[in-house]
Amino acid sequence: DAKTTQPPSMDCAEGRAANLPCNHSTISGNEYVYWYRQIHSQGPQYIIHGLKNNETNEMASLIITEDRKSSTLILPHATLRDTAVYYCIVHGSSNTGKLIFGQGTTLQVKP
Amino acid sequence: NAGVTQTPKFRILKIGQSMTLQCTQDMNHNYMYWYRQDPGMGLKLIYYSVGAGITDKGEVPNGYNVSRSTTEDFPLRLELAAPSQTSVYFCASSYSKGNYEQYFGPGTRLTVT
Repeated sequence: DAKTTQPPSMDCAEGRAANLPCNHSTISGNEYVYWYRQIHSQGPQYIIHGLKNNETNEMASLIITEDRKSSTLILPHATLRDTAVYYCIVHGSSNTGKLIFGQGTTLQVKP
Repeated sequence: NAGVTQTPKFRILKIGQSMTLQCTQDMNHNYMYWYRQDPGMGLKLIYYSVGAGITDKGEVPNGYNVSRSTTEDFPLRLELAAPSQTSVYFCASSYSKGNYEQYFGPGTRLTVT
C-alpha cells in the first residue's frame, strides 16, 4: 500500500473550513484514499473515502487531485468537537481489509 | 445496535500475568481486527480475522494470541504480560473484503507493571 505524508499539526478557527492535506504520490490505480479521525482517547472513526472523484457526506468533503497524488479533507464549518487526530490512509483492494495508520495530523479547532 | 464493545475498559497487570481482552460486534461483520496504540503514536495492527475460524498476524503479533470461534467474538489473549505491552487496545470490525470502513470499539487501557 502507498505511503502517505501529512503535516503533524494544524490550527483552525471555529466556524471556518478546515482543510487537511495528504500526499500519496506512490498511489496506484486501484488504491482508495480513506480518512479516519480519533478524538482524544476514543477509537478511530471513519469519515470518508474515495478513489478518483470528489466525495461528500454529512461529515466532510474529500477532494482528490486529478493525478491522484494528493488529497484534501475539508470540514466545512469546524467546531470545537472536531479537534482530533486525522489519519489519511491509502489502501488497495486486498483480501484482508487491514489498515496501516501513520502519525496523522492533529487538528486543533480554536474558539 | 451496540456496535463494537470491548471489556474491560481498564486493567493493570503484573509482569508475567495473563489476561484476555474481549471484543464483540453485533453488526454481523465478517472482518475483525485488533490494534494497539502506544502513547503519541498511530495504531498498529496485531491480528485480524476474515471470518470465523480464520485468523492471521498483523504488524506486531508477538506476545499475543487470538481465536475466532464465532462471527461476533474476537478475543485477544496475552499470555505472559510484559511492560512493553502497556498500551491502549482497540478492536474493530468491517463488513467485507474491499470495504475498509471499519468500526472501532472504545478501547481497553492496559498497564503492565
